[in-house]
Amino acid sequence: AQKVTQAQTEISVVEKEDVTLDCVYETRDTTYYLFWYKQPPSGELVFLIRRNSFDEQNEISGRYSWNFQKSTSSFNFTITASQVVDSAVYFCALSEALGKFYFGSGTKLNVKP
Amino acid sequence: DTGVSQNPRHKITKRGQNVTFRCDPISEHNRLYWYRQTLGQGPEFLTYFQNEAQLEKSRLLSDRFSAERPKGSFSTLEIQRTEQGDSAMYLCASSPTSGERNEQFFGPGTRLTVL
Repeated sequence: AQKVTQAQTEISVVEKEDVTLDCVYETRDTTYYLFWYKQPPSGELVFLIRRNSFDEQNEISGRYSWNFQKSTSSFNFTITASQVVDSAVYFCALSEALGKFYFGSGTKLNVKP
Repeated sequence: DTGVSQNPRHKITKRGQNVTFRCDPISEHNRLYWYRQTLGQGPEFLTYFQNEAQLEKSRLLSDRFSAERPKGSFSTLEIQRTEQGDSAMYLCASSPTSGERNEQFFGPGTRLTVL
């Protein structure tokens, strides 16, 4: 069965610190997709990134970077030089090709000025 | 605004009453999903549609819950005889089915409070 684990319930950092959010997944499928979403205090889930199971290239987008490692079933998310606006709950999710998402329980990130 | 919209944004009801929520997906998206999110948890899948066909329902969706997407556009989620345990945020999402893009775009949610 599919499962996503985000062991970090809450993380607090001071602005400009780097922070890594961990995500570990379980699936028996050979083709699957991994996602990160941000949920700010307003509540709406915002799509950040999607990775395919057959593409292990890491990705960088501005201050955000993602490290996908199939060998350890992990898809970690790093924010460099964090800002107060990064404060939110971040969810990792797993899906089959076009189906439902399995979400982790989320990591609440607090960035203090 | 071409995003996913949901109405109402908030609903307070008394136990035993029926409630109905509406979701309008992004117009070109064929797939529509419903999730439920309780405090401190990630969204949990309830059901999804491909056009007007309901393709999968979670075991979380008891017989008090019903969802429809009559013309393959907007969808409604109805909860009959609400219980306090139904209090949650109900999220709708839509996704395209062309190519490899399958990320889901979420609406703002409907927060249900059952008194």
